[in-house]
Amino acid sequence: KNQVEQSPQSLIILEGKNCTLQCNYTVSPFSNLRWYKQDTGRGPVSLTIMTFSENTKSNGRYTATLDADTKQSSLHITASQLSDSASYICVVSAEDSNYQLIWGAGTKLIIKP
Amino acid sequence: NAGVTQTPKFRILKIGQSMTLQCTQDMNHNYMYWYRQDPGMGLKLIYYSVGAGITDKGEVPNGYNVSRSTTEDFPLRLELAAPSQTSVYFCASSQQVTPLHFGNGTRLTVT
Repeated sequence: KNQVEQSPQSLIILEGKNCTLQCNYTVSPFSNLRWYKQDTGRGPVSLTIMTFSENTKSNGRYTATLDADTKQSSLHITASQLSDSASYICVVSAEDSNYQLIWGAGTKLIIKP
Repeated sequence: NAGVTQTPKFRILKIGQSMTLQCTQDMNHNYMYWYRQDPGMGLKLIYYSVGAGITDKGEVPNGYNVSRSTTEDFPLRLELAAPSQTSVYFCASSQQVTPLHFGNGTRLTVT
């Protein structure tokens, strides 16, 4: 069964610290992996999309990595800010479309001052 | 740019009532989607559309209907509300496989 699992479920860190969120997937075939940020009460916003051949992609202080062999991805946040408090969702696409996306349940990140 | 706009933001329905969740986008995207998000779960695709006049079922279509008469609008209809339809509903749009652009959701409670 196609699944995306994220860990940890929740994480609290101090402002200015770094953190890494994990995503493991069992989706086959594999087309691309995406990370979204979802603020409380808002819709998800795209951070990165990575295809099979990409193993690192950055978007400002966010860096996503992908290991297609072990079917793992991580999202690293550098020098966290209060505005980084949100849920971070890993999404895997089984084909080159938006119809067959497998969504993880997300990691809830809280940044404390 | 407004992006994707959803109305209403909140709604409480009684069991058996019906309602339409509205979604409109101003980005001229061909593709539109309806998702539901339940606590602790990943988003589930309800219906999607690849263009005006074309709709198709997603993973969890039972109890819902959609129509797409224009590029901009993609309403979601609940005919006989059930408690299992209590959820947060998100509409999204995209150009083919580019990132999805989401609205800010409709929080629906069925009691």
